[in-house]
Amino acid sequence: DVKVTQSSRYLVKRTGEKVFLECVQDMDHENMFWYRQDPGLGLRLIYFSYDVKMKEKGDIPEGYSVSREKKERFSLILESASTNQTSMYLCAARGGPIHTEAFFGQGTRLTVV
Amino acid sequence: GNSVTQMEGPVTLSEEAFLTINCTYTATGYPSLFWYVQYPGEGLQLLLKATKADDKGSNKGFEATYRKETTSFHLEKGSVQVSDSAVYFCALSDVDSNYQLIWGAGTKLIIKP
Repeated sequence: DVKVTQSSRYLVKRTGEKVFLECVQDMDHENMFWYRQDPGLGLRLIYFSYDVKMKEKGDIPEGYSVSREKKERFSLILESASTNQTSMYLCAARGGPIHTEAFFGQGTRLTVV
Repeated sequence: GNSVTQMEGPVTLSEEAFLTINCTYTATGYPSLFWYVQYPGEGLQLLLKATKADDKGSNKGFEATYRKETTSFHLEKGSVQVSDSAVYFCALSDVDSNYQLIWGAGTKLIIKP
């Protein structure tokens, strides 16, 4: 089974801090995604990457950046954390064809105080 | 553009009741369709999928049939258990969606003993 691992389950950071959320997959999937999940708002795509060093903005990229230096690792960066970035963050990996499933990490619940 | 519409939750049922969660979609091509489940505090995991019209996906007693004529992919289970309490997401993937999965809003299911 494909495994997607997020570096932390729970994280508490202070306003203004630079925050790194790390995601690693153990299969050779081209596509990786970062979502945030908030009550009543479903899954919202922040950024995705379809290859090393390639990235595309999703629906809500403001306040975030990403890095993909190696195929297996996709990092989400909060340049200056704010309280409205308190959320559940989910990383996913997926192969190319449209019939393939996405594999998710366990999620990181980030609280910004 | 592509979109997925799910019935709003929460859906509350008694144990052993019959479950239907409605999902309809809009797509320009011939999408693949997915149901994911998210247990409390966890990431999403694939429950079942169907890749062409009239296909039936099934897993853990859940079923869904890809109905192109009604653009639907409703999730059903004959007898739910307390352990089925979770959030269920319907999603589609199409050649137009640029490697992404297009998500429904999610339906929270609560099963009472």
